[in-house]
Amino acid sequence: GQQLNQSPQSMFIQEGEDVSMNCTSSSIFNTWLWYKQDPGEGPVLLIALYKAGELTSNGRLTAQFGITRKDSFLNISASIPSDVGIYFCAGLYGNKLVFGAGTILRVKS
Amino acid sequence: EAGVAQSPRYKIIEKRQSVAFWCNPISGHATLYWYQQILGQGPKLLIQFQNNGVVDDSQLPKDRFSAERLKGVDSTLKIQPAKLEDSAVYLCASSLDRISRSGRAGNIQYFGAGTRLSVL
Repeated sequence: GQQLNQSPQSMFIQEGEDVSMNCTSSSIFNTWLWYKQDPGEGPVLLIALYKAGELTSNGRLTAQFGITRKDSFLNISASIPSDVGIYFCAGLYGNKLVFGAGTILRVKS
Repeated sequence: EAGVAQSPRYKIIEKRQSVAFWCNPISGHATLYWYQQILGQGPKLLIQFQNNGVVDDSQLPKDRFSAERLKGVDSTLKIQPAKLEDSAVYLCASSLDRISRSGRAGNIQYFGAGTRLSVL
């Protein structure tokens, strides 16, 4: 089946630093999504990417859909304490959504 | 606009007992999904409905799990009997349409807060 490899597994960074995480797959996806999940909550959509090469921003977040359609990255600039949580990439093929294992982000204030 | 509603938020049962979860999707969303999220992993699809019909239940352990969406709106997921390995968060999600004419926002999935199940 389709699998996504998300890295890093976890990050512990200083407040104000920039963060980068990525997702790769052996399969092609039509859409890449990035979600954030806070403890005790469901995943919340951060950014959706629809075209290969697309670069999209949402506030301090920037994400790109890889040219090969098999990868994506998410950058967070100037991290703040409320950025803590688990970030999931997800690839959408038709109506089927496949998730990575998540990147746990911890921020030192 | 109200989001996806799920209840209960938490449930603790003993193995071999039965349990049911309820989901009410975003109003007007035709497609409803149930996911299982085991600690430390991403959500995994159990079943997908479009309106009141099943689109994909290939990952649903049908010997113990069942789900229905009788009127094409809210849905219930049942486990009977529960096993220890069923301990997980059960997430419900909905999307506007399985295949939208715009091809874009129609198939984006929005999630509820989930039900955390502990099987003892």
